[in-house]
Amino acid sequence: QKEVEQDPGPLSVPEGAIVSLNCTYSNSAFQYFMWYRQYSRKGPELLMYTYSSGNKEDGRFTAQVDKSSKYISLFIRDSQPSDSATYLCAMIADGSGTYKYIFGTGTRLKVLA
Amino acid sequence: NAGVMQNPRHLVRRRGQEARLRCSPMKGHSHVYWYRQLPEEGLKFMVYLQKENIIDESGMPKERFSAEFPKEGPSILRIQQVVRGDSAAYFCASSPSGTGGADGYTFGSGTRLTVV
Repeated sequence: QKEVEQDPGPLSVPEGAIVSLNCTYSNSAFQYFMWYRQYSRKGPELLMYTYSSGNKEDGRFTAQVDKSSKYISLFIRDSQPSDSATYLCAMIADGSGTYKYIFGTGTRLKVLA
Repeated sequence: NAGVMQNPRHLVRRRGQEARLRCSPMKGHSHVYWYRQLPEEGLKFMVYLQKENIIDESGMPKERFSAEFPKEGPSILRIQQVVRGDSAAYFCASSPSGTGGADGYTFGSGTRLTVV
């Protein structure tokens, strides 16, 4: 079993839809949670990061962490065609050094105009 | 302020050749991290370096791979005697301190290595 599971998609939604992207994980030591966006042939771009449980909002993006369920989510409101990309979740375990990210495989999102 | 710079963007090598990938960290950053992204897989940690020191190379294959970050110049990821399975995108990131990862660090655009 992988430490971090992420549905590869693709996920296709119409423009303006609310998008929900999710990751599950098995290691209860994970404390830091990040979401990256990666356009084709580009490097990952940091969208959100959170520590421990709770919600964090930034513009159209909301990140949620539910440590009791070992489940994290990224919500995108009013989705735009420019949001079409692969979304990667990443996590760090306390005590492992805050540099060794464990990534999900990424979910490909297509927002249709 | 330029971001993390990687070159070359694309690199084609024949089996058995050597590949050298370069990473110049953001200005003022002295910590560099290398990750590899295989097709249809997430990024996987390879190595963490500070200037002139390897801090953690637990993700590096035991043979043919090496990394350095000299006092002057970019960090280099070196792959000797490349094989087809080395074909991947290699990304580096940098931070001003070793705890920079907790805030989410910035990746370069990557080097796409193709072994033919």
